[in-house]
Amino acid sequence: EPEVTQTPSHQVTQMGQEVILRCVPISNHLYFYWYRQILGQKVEFLVSFYNNEISEKSEIFDDQFSVERPDGSNFTLKIRSTKLEDSAMYFCASSVGLNSGNTIYFGEGSWLTVV
Amino acid sequence: DAKTTQPNSMESNEEEPVHLPCNHSTISGTDYIHWYRQLPSQGPEYVIHGLTSNVNNRMASLAIAEDRKSSTLILHRATLRDAAVYYCILRDGGNKLVFGAGTILRVKS
Repeated sequence: EPEVTQTPSHQVTQMGQEVILRCVPISNHLYFYWYRQILGQKVEFLVSFYNNEISEKSEIFDDQFSVERPDGSNFTLKIRSTKLEDSAMYFCASSVGLNSGNTIYFGEGSWLTVV
Repeated sequence: DAKTTQPNSMESNEEEPVHLPCNHSTISGTDYIHWYRQLPSQGPEYVIHGLTSNVNNRMASLAIAEDRKSSTLILHRATLRDAAVYYCILRDGGNKLVFGAGTILRVKS
């Protein structure tokens, strides 16, 4: 069964450093997403991406964050200068379309620890 | 975003059926009901979704009330591996899923 894959599974970084989290969405999917979950809290939407553009973003997704699809298979989330409060599990997701009957499939997540 | 209400937690015995309820009284005509689950330290996993009719797949069944203001996820025989947080989410075709706190399902052996 096709799946969303994410790397790294866990990364520890120093405060102020740049981090890039990588994702390979399901191959025929057109919509890509990043969500995050701070330990013990709800899963939160960060951003959605379609046709090489951000289609929606949340208040969390400020200027420190950016997304990119550098080639035909990868989708990345960059945090420019990490803060302690960026420590969370980051989930990449993808879907075929935006129709309410379309399923969004999630990856296993990348644990980011900022020290 | 339409809201759903779920019990905070439920407990089940292994190999018995589990019925996880969800209320969504403000559901609109085009909202699909999606269920996901999240095992500890893993990403949300799609379980099932439906619009009006009851749905079955290899993981579970989804029973949708005739007025669509509530639904029930049915796990036919709970196993220890089904212990997870279960989320009932309405999707209206927008970009995002809005996750609530979900129902923590504990399965006793």
